[in-house]
Amino acid sequence: DSGVTQTPKHLITATGQRVTLRCSPRSGDLSVYWYQQSLDQGLQFLIQYYNGEERAKGNILERFSAQQFPDLHSELNLSSLELGDSALYFCASSVAHSTGGQETQYFGPGTRLLVL
Amino acid sequence: AQSVAQPEDQVNVAEGNPLTVKCTYSVSGNPYLFWYVQYPNRGLQFLLKYITGDNLVKGSYGFEAEFNKSQTSFHLKKPSALVSDSALYFCAVSPRSSGGYNKLIFGAGTRLAVHP
Repeated sequence: DSGVTQTPKHLITATGQRVTLRCSPRSGDLSVYWYQQSLDQGLQFLIQYYNGEERAKGNILERFSAQQFPDLHSELNLSSLELGDSALYFCASSVAHSTGGQETQYFGPGTRLLVL
Repeated sequence: AQSVAQPEDQVNVAEGNPLTVKCTYSVSGNPYLFWYVQYPNRGLQFLLKYITGDNLVKGSYGFEAEFNKSQTSFHLKKPSALVSDSALYFCAVSPRSSGGYNKLIFGAGTRLAVHP
């Protein structure tokens, strides 16, 4: 158990809908990252937050957004869902954001999203 | 473009034999290198990372990895495989940055199958 929690574990919804995925980082971790794992794209970095502020963006669609709250939990909002958004969404956390990339990221169990 | 290659979709090895899972990368500068393992219906678990120093890095569960700068490779190894090592293994790199972001670039993954 990494200490990172994600809810829900599974989510089934319809095209055009909006969903919110939630992540609680490990105790003491200030950085939260979101990744998408799909069969065709593999594991892709979406976005990073550090202590409430957006720090880096990856291949995140405009229909997707995220935020990190004062208690450091994070939410990933996916809107106008399409069939191709079906994937496993992982949250990860690390202690901070400094030291330029060498921090270990600890991953949660993921939320499996199925868009019908 | 920055990329990570895991040339083998699957590696088959007999229990007790040594195993190697290959990884090469194409990332400018001197990136940090990571290995993660994913068991079915689980999140990614951190195995080991290379930051600097000795080219042979030891990690969890008896795994080790050898960094080769000239070949831009970071192969995962274990002297004696166990059936319980059967899982999906991901190599990842984190570009060195001054901007305080820590995105991981993942390879496509290699499925390790250890046969009794």
